[in-house]
Amino acid sequence: QLQLQESGPGLVKPSETLSLTCPVSGGSISTSSYYWGWIRQPPGKGLEWIGSIYYSGSTYYNPSLKSRVTISVDTSKNQFSLKLTSVTAADTAVYYCARHILGYCSSTSCTSNYFDYWGQGTLVTVSS
Amino acid sequence: QSALTQPASVSGSPGQSITISCTGTSSDVGTYNLVSWYQQHPGKAPKLMVYEVSKRPSGVSNRFSGSKSGNTASLTISGLQAEDEADYYCCSHAGARTPVVFGGGTELTVL
Repeated sequence: QLQLQESGPGLVKPSETLSLTCPVSGGSISTSSYYWGWIRQPPGKGLEWIGSIYYSGSTYYNPSLKSRVTISVDTSKNQFSLKLTSVTAADTAVYYCARHILGYCSSTSCTSNYFDYWGQGTLVTVSS
Repeated sequence: QSALTQPASVSGSPGQSITISCTGTSSDVGTYNLVSWYQQHPGKAPKLMVYEVSKRPSGVSNRFSGSKSGNTASLTISGLQAEDEADYYCCSHAGARTPVVFGGGTELTVL
């Protein structure tokens, strides 16, 4: 059974960088056809997709966050990571990592789109 | 503001059927048969219930079904049970530039 588990600081100061890691167990992150994504949920609000990465390093980002987000993958450690720079209180949220099925992606669209395995989520609070 | 529009709340009695709508545009729901639905209980991670409009993952009850007409997708839950009380989110593909857009979520209350 595939398992994902977010890890990282629960408290980040304003203007600093939020960093989270998602180790994957029960399967290889290098398996073809799978992307690995980050989704967040501010307290009491809905889900927001942050971005996704393929094991080769190919990435897709939410245009609204793209200037501040970097997602990377470490196949040797079977994990992927999120960095979000210049955080403010608006970035306070539960952050989830998930396996993202995108299928085949051309320059215009992909052939699938859903998240089938999720981590339990980790609350990151931005406060001084 | 979410890219996809869902009703804030719906309710139903045990045994009844309810439908949650998810309205997008011709750039997302209307073009791609790539709508998925997630169930989220309080304090828990979302769970995939339907993908590619109407497909159910293994282990998901056949009481959950999905459909789409034009720019609106729908999730129908039949034979409502107390355990179905949760928040539900729709998600659609919107092209390679924005592969993922979520709806704002719908709170389902089982009366």
